[in-house]
Amino acid sequence: DAKTTQPNSMESNEEEPVHLPCNHSTISGTDYIHWYRQLPSQGPEYVIHGLTSNVNNRMASLAIAEDRKSSTLILHRATLRDAAVYYCILRGDSGGGADGLTFGKGTHLIIQP
Amino acid sequence: DTGVSQDPRHKITKRGQNVTFRCDPISEHNRLYWYRQTLGQGPEFLTYFQNEAQLEKSRLLSDRFSAERPKGSFSTLEIQRTEQGDSAMYLCASSPTGWGGNTIYFGEGSWLTVV
Repeated sequence: DAKTTQPNSMESNEEEPVHLPCNHSTISGTDYIHWYRQLPSQGPEYVIHGLTSNVNNRMASLAIAEDRKSSTLILHRATLRDAAVYYCILRGDSGGGADGLTFGKGTHLIIQP
Repeated sequence: DTGVSQDPRHKITKRGQNVTFRCDPISEHNRLYWYRQTLGQGPEFLTYFQNEAQLEKSRLLSDRFSAERPKGSFSTLEIQRTEQGDSAMYLCASSPTGWGGNTIYFGEGSWLTVV
């Protein structure tokens, strides 16, 4: 079962910031928070990941709550190309089992022009 | 391009036929994963390899499915006696190690349609 909870869909306007929330109340101390997105008919694409501190890269920012039970992916200025399904995933460091990624249904982000 | 590549991208087959998909991971990535994705759902884990060793198989991987990574480089996923329920996108992904802080890189997927 997925260990994260995300809204099914969100809508935003082009060139405005977008905040995509994710709840992961059962996160363990060694779980990394990963975000991937998937455009139609393509494989998932890495966006960003973090452990405890907020992270920034050229695609997005990741804000992690102090208790790590929730996080927010921030797209600073959405474009039409950002319309995709966004997955928030916990990746453990146990070294065993299916330590790949366990996907939920993600958030379908709609961008209005 | 040095990303994960999958072949073929699309395959239409008749029920009962066998199909094989190939995945070439990013060079020097020890971990290789196979996922399956149906319409409207997120990808579901099938199996993964650490080098040439297949370390885990999901319950989704029935006896008709077999995956190999003979030399720890490319991998194949074979489906025998295909059924209509096998119609899905099959995704391959690779990662340097199993460490939680590593990124997992996905290929573009292989679409299977069983008619």
